[in-house]
Order: sequence, then C-alpha cells, then structure tokens
Amino acid sequence: LAKTTQPISMDSYEGQEVNITCSHNNIATNDYITWYQQFPSQGPRFIIQGYKTKVTNEVASLFIPADRKSSTLSLPRVSLSDTAVYYCLVGENNQGGKLIFGQGTELSVKP
Amino acid sequence: DTAVSQTPKYLVTQMGNDKSIKCEQNLGHDTMYWYKQDSKKFLKIMFSYNNKELIINETVPNRFSPKSPDKAHLNLHINSLELGDSAVYFCASSLKHQTLSGNTIYFGEGSWLTVV
Repeated sequence: LAKTTQPISMDSYEGQEVNITCSHNNIATNDYITWYQQFPSQGPRFIIQGYKTKVTNEVASLFIPADRKSSTLSLPRVSLSDTAVYYCLVGENNQGGKLIFGQGTELSVKP
Repeated sequence: DTAVSQTPKYLVTQMGNDKSIKCEQNLGHDTMYWYKQDSKKFLKIMFSYNNKELIINETVPNRFSPKSPDKAHLNLHINSLELGDSAVYFCASSLKHQTLSGNTIYFGEGSWLTVV
C-alpha cells in the first residue's frame, strides 16, 4: 500500500510561504499525488494534483522530484484563512477510487 | 448549487437506535462514496458505488448498509447504533471510479453523528 507521511502540525505567519512535504516511498507507477484541504466543520476540498515535476494553479504549487518518493505542497503568502488541515494522498491503482488519507498536517497561520 | 449535499448535518441519538444519512450529488458523477472521520481526524473510506453498483466495502460492520437508488444518491443506514459509531460521516462523489486518470473526489459538508 502507498502510505504517506507528513508532519502533524506546522505554524506560520501571514504573508509567509509555507511548504509542506509528504513522503510516499511506495508510490506505484500509475499513482497520482493529490492534496486536499479541510477547514473545521467542512469536508475536504481538492487543492492540486500532479504526477511528476511541477504543477501550479491559482491556489498552490506542487513539486515532485524525479523519484516521486516525496512531494511538496507550496502555499505562497498564506493568510489566516489558510489555517486548515492539509492531506497528501496517493491513489491505489489496483482498486480505483480508494484514496488513502493520512492524518494530515494541521497548518496554523498566525497574524 | 451545492455539489454534494448530505442530511442531516447533526444527529444525536441513543444507543441501539437505527438512523439514516442521505446524500445527493448534482455533478453528474458515476461514483459515490462514504467516508468516516474519527476524533483523531483520520478519514477512512467505508463504501463506494459506481452506477449504483457496490465496488468497495471496507470491512465495515453489517450494521452499516449503503443504498444507492440511482447514481445521484447514496444513503447510509446504520442499525443498532453503538457509542463507537460517533464520528463525522462524509459523502463524496467523483466522475469515474478510477485514480489512474487523476480523478478528483468532491466531498459533502459532513454529518456529525453522536451516539449517547
């Protein structure tokens, strides 16, 4: 199984860039790497997804090295509203749709 | 406008009761899921349905029975509720039942179940 490991918590201040790294040593060849964000009392929300190298959208960037055994979610200039839990997921390609959620990284952004 | 909606949002009930949580998606997706999030915030898949057909059943007690009348609806019925069933239950949907093509899962707002 492609298990993920990420820091349990991180603190940051408004305006800073935040990088959250996820390890997934057993990632399979066809697995994508997906990041979700969850605010308190809400369901997880898709942020970004990638397979290799770098992906950027209006919310974040995702950096994936060549060996794909880790990935880094980069949030530019965070604000208080970015306080949330961030989950790194790697899909199982032998049972489609069975994304495995780890415990996530609780990001706290302070003024 | 809500893509994945589930009701009720909050439910407090006594041990031994039977309760249902309803879920509907208006995204035209083929696949729907039920996830459970415990107090430690771990999200675990319980069931998935693809076009009304059960695909994933993750070693969930028989007291939990999902029902999909059509591909836009996936309800969760729980019999003989126990204290350990207290959790947040999330309904979700995705276009297809595949991760190979970078499938995105859309979650509902959650249903907070408390068994007393």
